[in-house]
Amino acid sequence: GAVVSQHPSRVICKSGTSVKIECRSLDFQATTMFWYRQFPKQSLMLMATSNEGSKATYEQGVEKDKFLINHASLTLSTLTVTSAHPEDSSFYICSARGRGLGTEAFFGQGTRLTVV
Amino acid sequence: AQRVTQPEKLLSVFKGAPVELKCNYSYSGSPELFWYVQYSRQRLQLLLRHISRESIKGFTADLNKGETSFHLKKPFAQEEDSAMYYCALSGLLGGTSYGKLTFGQGTILTVHP
Repeated sequence: GAVVSQHPSRVICKSGTSVKIECRSLDFQATTMFWYRQFPKQSLMLMATSNEGSKATYEQGVEKDKFLINHASLTLSTLTVTSAHPEDSSFYICSARGRGLGTEAFFGQGTRLTVV
Repeated sequence: AQRVTQPEKLLSVFKGAPVELKCNYSYSGSPELFWYVQYSRQRLQLLLRHISRESIKGFTADLNKGETSFHLKKPFAQEEDSAMYYCALSGLLGGTSYGKLTFGQGTILTVHP
């Protein structure tokens, strides 16, 4: 089956620094990637949608200057949390849809970000 | 706007008992509904979708447009069904899903031996 890999799975960073999370489709071309955020015991909230080679579309209330998304290739999208603050601590999950794979979205294992 | 509601955060049943996880949605257009499952320490994975009308691991779900519901059912629960279950909705346009999913809050199912 189609596999999506996120790296790192866990990261701790200092307040004020930036951290990058990678999302890779290992065995398919990801035409669209989605970034979600999940707070403890809560649902997944869509942050943004990115299509390869174009700018990401952010959901209402998500700061695009804070959460930089790049989808430079058909197998890689990155989410950079800039000037991180403790309130950015969360679980970030990416998913991807692939060419020829229908409407199913395949999920990465998630990245636990802790800002101290 | 699209919204998905799963009224039960926790659901406990005994092995062999029937189980139903409720899901209601709100969407002005034509929706595509999904159930995703997350087993302990594993990633989210698709369980089933209403369009394919299939049964996976004994689970079924029927889209009821009149009641705007997509409840997940299994006649005889197994211990290995214990997991977090998410109902999700995606808008359809011309038969092609947007792909953008709106998730419900999730229901933790525990099946006791």
